Amino acid sequence: GAVVSQHPSWVICKSGTSVKIECRSLDFQATTMFWYRQFPKQSLMLMATSNEGSKATYEQGVEKDKFLINHASLTLSTLTVTSAHPEDSSFYICSARDTSNQPQHFGDGTRLSIL
Amino acid sequence: AQSVTQLDSHVSVSEGTPVLLRCNYSSSYSPSLFWYVQHPNKGLQLLLKYTSAATLVKGINGFEAEFKKSETSFHLTKPSAHMSDAAEYFCVVSVDDYKLSFGAGTTVTVRA
Repeated sequence: GAVVSQHPSWVICKSGTSVKIECRSLDFQATTMFWYRQFPKQSLMLMATSNEGSKATYEQGVEKDKFLINHASLTLSTLTVTSAHPEDSSFYICSARDTSNQPQHFGDGTRLSIL
Repeated sequence: AQSVTQLDSHVSVSEGTPVLLRCNYSSSYSPSLFWYVQHPNKGLQLLLKYTSAATLVKGINGFEAEFKKSETSFHLTKPSAHMSDAAEYFCVVSVDDYKLSFGAGTTVTVRA
C-alpha cells in the first residue's frame, strides 16, 4: 500500500518551454503533498508544501511564479516549471501523506533536463 | 531547530559484512527520526522510523536502528550486507508535524 506515482520519469525540453510534472497517490488520499528538488550527489531540498484545495506554501528562496503547484484533489498534485531554463535542470521528487502520524511516501522522481 | 548530521559521506563494505551508518540529531524535544534509502534515479523508500516507542527499531530488509538520547544518535545497522544494499541512505528528522529535514546522505558501496 501507500504508492505514489510520479510522471513523467524523464523529460528533456528546450529552454523557454513549460513542463508539468504529476504526482498521484494511488491507494490513499493525500491531504498533504510535498515537492523536493535534488541536485546531483546532494540531499533533498523542500521546495513547497501543498494541502488539498489550498495554496501551496513555498520555502524561502523558491519562486512561486516559477514553480506553480496545484493540488486540486486528494490524489493529484502538479508542479509546473514555467519558462524553464538550463539552471532548472534537476531531479524533482514528490511525496504525499494522509494523516499527521504517517510518514511521507515518495514518488520515483522526475529527471528534468533543459537544453 | 531540528536537524541531522550524517557522519560519513561514503561507506564501503564487503558483501556479508556488517554495515554501520552514523547519524546524530539535534532537537529541542523528542524527535521523530527516519532512515530512507534511495537507489539511482529513484525516489526514497522508508527503511524504518522512530517515534518514541521502543529505542531499538527494526526495519525492512534486515536493517535496524537504535535511538540513544544520551548520545543524540540514531545509527543504522545491518549485520550482513548484500549487493542490493548499494544505494544512498538518508537520515531524516521530522521538523514539525509534517516537514522533514534531511541529512546530507551516505553512499554505500558493497564489494563482492
